[in-house]
Amino acid sequence: AQKITQTQPGMFVQEKEAVTLDCTYDTSDPSYGLFWYKQPSSGEMIFLIYQGSYDQQNATEGRYSLNFQKARKSANLVISASQLGDSAMYFCAMREGGGGYQKVTFGTGTKLQVIP
Amino acid sequence: DAMVIQNPRYQVTQFGKPVTLSCSQTLNHNVMYWYQQKSSQAPKLLFHYYDKDFNNEADTPDNFQSRRPNTSFCFLDIRSPGLGDAAMYLCATSRDLARADQPQHFGDGTRLSIL
Repeated sequence: AQKITQTQPGMFVQEKEAVTLDCTYDTSDPSYGLFWYKQPSSGEMIFLIYQGSYDQQNATEGRYSLNFQKARKSANLVISASQLGDSAMYFCAMREGGGGYQKVTFGTGTKLQVIP
Repeated sequence: DAMVIQNPRYQVTQFGKPVTLSCSQTLNHNVMYWYQQKSSQAPKLLFHYYDKDFNNEADTPDNFQSRRPNTSFCFLDIRSPGLGDAAMYLCATSRDLARADQPQHFGDGTRLSIL
């Protein structure tokens, strides 16, 4: 079974509008971390935001916020006031925390294109 | 202020000719990872080092090897590159191994082409 599912292969958003990128996850571990990374066409992976499974509040970092719905096992990324520079591939990832080493699992990504 | 540095950004090699990709970090992190990422796919973990302990993923081909001579540097050696090895190779670090709240810090990647 897929541990991380990103159902939107591609998304378009108008500049200055908000956009939500979907991510659902599957784990039975009570301790886990969820991450979003941005990968521009140049290739580098840029860490955006983190949400812990025990965090009571949704994470926010500038224009990025994470809509964490634990019961639904979803961790959607919300980008407010989209900019042309937000055009990139976005990956949702999870690391499970129990029982020693757990590798990071990445979703298949969503390609976001911001339209002027 | 690059913290994870990969050299070179672009590497071209011939089919079957050994190639080495390098990664260095200034974060003093214990763990270094190598990922392979093919076009429009998620990164795939090849192996990682926790300090000097090497851990290979079960499905990583024998063609891929790694060395970590010290905390700061890690190398990916591809002994006999095939056309299927053309990809972006990403190096990443994290402070600890098993903490769920540890993000990975990635370098800019090396894009490998095989002629």
